Amino acid sequence: DAGVIQSPRHEVTEMGQEVTLRCKPISGHNSLFWYRQTMMRGLELLIYFNNNVPIDDSGMPEDRFSAKMPNASFSTLKIQPSEPRDSAVYFCASSLGTGAITGELFFGEGSRLTVL
Amino acid sequence: RKEVEQDPGPFNVPEGATVAFNCTYSNSASQSFFWYRQDCRKEPKLLMSVYSSGNEDGRFTAQLNRASQYISLLIRDSKLSDSATYLCVVNIGSSASKIIFGSGTRLSIRP
Repeated sequence: DAGVIQSPRHEVTEMGQEVTLRCKPISGHNSLFWYRQTMMRGLELLIYFNNNVPIDDSGMPEDRFSAKMPNASFSTLKIQPSEPRDSAVYFCASSLGTGAITGELFFGEGSRLTVL
Repeated sequence: RKEVEQDPGPFNVPEGATVAFNCTYSNSASQSFFWYRQDCRKEPKLLMSVYSSGNEDGRFTAQLNRASQYISLLIRDSKLSDSATYLCVVNIGSSASKIIFGSGTRLSIRP
């Protein structure tokens, strides 16, 4: 079975450019999470969706970040305009149900973003 | 104060040693607790859940202390393959998940 699929795996872009990261969750999972990981701050929860509806976006750093989940099989995280401090690994994860009981989030391999 | 705090380490211990990590959480309403493992340049993966009564999975033992708001992970007879970063994870949501990760504790097992 396919796991969580993220694209691109690596992106290098220049400051000011728009970045779009994509995620396909595991089929049948109805919760989706976006995390950002840096050495300094660890894994930060940016936003999560339940049944395609954003539940909590309080972790989104600022208005330059936006996330959508138009259907159960696709989500995007957009940064516009990008800045060097956005450089990080962005993980998408999905879970069955709310994950509250099992806590098992299935992560994609991450998108490594470098903003020059 | 961070919602989930861990000693970043690194812990550098010889093969066969017993090592323990602690983690504290700030939200007393936290619902459920977990340990994840993350290998270098890989994604995190669930290691084990943490139950109120404590639980064991092979060489790994997890415990929860709700009164003091900390959880622990004990690894016995450590193996070289246990070298990784161990992430403490807390679900602070009620009706839906808000799953927060600690920054992780790095463990290095030496031969």
